[in-house]
Amino acid sequence: NAGVTQTPKFQVLKTGQSMTLQCAQDMNHNSMYWYRQDPGMGLRLIYYSASEGTTDKGEVPNGYNVSRLNKREFSLRLESAAPSQTSVYFCASSEDNPPYEQYFGPGTRLTVT
Amino acid sequence: DAKTTQPPSMDCAEGRAANLPCNHSTISGNEYVYWYRQIHSQGPQYIIHGLKNNETNEMASLIITEDRKSSTLILPHATLRDTAVYYCIVRVGYSGGGADGLTFGKGTHLIIQP
Repeated sequence: NAGVTQTPKFQVLKTGQSMTLQCAQDMNHNSMYWYRQDPGMGLRLIYYSASEGTTDKGEVPNGYNVSRLNKREFSLRLESAAPSQTSVYFCASSEDNPPYEQYFGPGTRLTVT
Repeated sequence: DAKTTQPPSMDCAEGRAANLPCNHSTISGNEYVYWYRQIHSQGPQYIIHGLKNNETNEMASLIITEDRKSSTLILPHATLRDTAVYYCIVRVGYSGGGADGLTFGKGTHLIIQP
C-alpha cells in the first residue's frame, strides 16, 4: 500500500515551458487535491476533485489545469511556466467518511528559471 | 472557514509535554478543529480533530475550551522526531462530504531540544 505517490520529485523548467505533475493514490478515495507551498508559508489549494470526472478551483487556480484521469490519478498541468510558480507541489487524497482525513504525497519541488 | 492564530515558534525539552495553543475566536458551531503536522518539508500528516469534547489518540490529546474559542494540542512526551510545523485548521467538518480542501496558515514551528 503505497498511499499517495507523486512524480517527478524534482523538476527545473525554463519560463514558458510546460509540464504535467502526476499523482496517484491506491486507497480508493473519491476526493483528491493539489496544493502548493511557498517558502515559509502554509499550503494553498490549487484544485480539487470530489470524484472521478469532476474538478473544482481552489484558492490559487490561475496558470494551472487539472485532469482527473480515473479514480486513482489526478494530474496538474502547467501550460506556460512562470517563475512565480516555483514552489513545492503536494497532492493529497481524502477518506470518504468522517473525519475526512487527508493523506499527502511526498511533494514535487519545481523551480522555474 | 474560520481563521486561526498560532505562535510562530515554540521550544520544548525532549521528554516533556509540548503544549501548542491555537486561537479560533470566530469559530462557528458546526466547525471542527483539526491538527496536522509537517515534518521537514514532507507532506502534512493528520494528528487529531475535535468538535467540543476533549479528544485523545495514540499521537496526541486535544483540549478545546468550553467556549470553543481556543484549543491546545498536547504531545505528552515529546521526542526529537516531533520537531515539525504544526497546523491548527478550522473547517466545517462534514459538510459536502468533506471534499473541500484544507486552509493552512503558517502554523507553529515546534523545536524539540535534546
